[in-house]
Amino acid sequence: GAGVSQSPSNKVTEKGKDVELRCDPISGHTALYWYRQSLGQGLEFLIYFQGNSAPDKSGLPSDRFSAERTGGSVSTLTIQRTQQEDSAVYLCASSSNRGWAYEQYFGPGTRLTVT
Amino acid sequence: AQSVTQLGSHVSVSEGALVLLRCNYSSSVPPYLFWYVQYPNQGLQLLLKYTTGATLVKGINGFEAEFKKSETSFHLTKPSAHMSDAAEYFCAVSDRSGSEKLVFGKGTKLTVNP
Repeated sequence: GAGVSQSPSNKVTEKGKDVELRCDPISGHTALYWYRQSLGQGLEFLIYFQGNSAPDKSGLPSDRFSAERTGGSVSTLTIQRTQQEDSAVYLCASSSNRGWAYEQYFGPGTRLTVT
Repeated sequence: AQSVTQLGSHVSVSEGALVLLRCNYSSSVPPYLFWYVQYPNQGLQLLLKYTTGATLVKGINGFEAEFKKSETSFHLTKPSAHMSDAAEYFCAVSDRSGSEKLVFGKGTKLTVNP
């Protein structure tokens, strides 16, 4: 079956512009995660959704970052007024249920470059 | 809070040699531990996981890892490296706080020489 998909695969934007990154999880997966992968910081958690609610937003680095999930499916991560330090690969993952033993399936990521 | 340390950001082995990638963790609760592999320009793929029970865990592609509580370690091994094993490997621990988010190590890039 289809895995986690993300779009766009690459995004180049100018400093100060807003960007939206999209994640389509595996059908039926209730849990959805956003992570950020950068050279300096490694892999960092950003936000967790269970259904359409986000009980854990503790990893969002600033109020320029926000995310939503609709219909228990697609999620959008929005970065406002992008800065150069936002350049990274943004990874989305989904999981079939809450529960620590459940595998998180990762998408291929969106590479964001802020110039 | 949970944390993960991977010793060695780069490891190089010859084809057919033993692969050993080191991972130590810190956790205030019994840990759930994971190893993921990332090939260039791809997402992460789960190799194996430890939750409870048997401490020697076997995963895909011939990899295995052993949970050693006394050493707070979860090292990844493979008896004989293959060229296709060249990738970056990440050890992770679940924070078990409710979100089940993963806390990752910095990663180890494995090079396999012919």
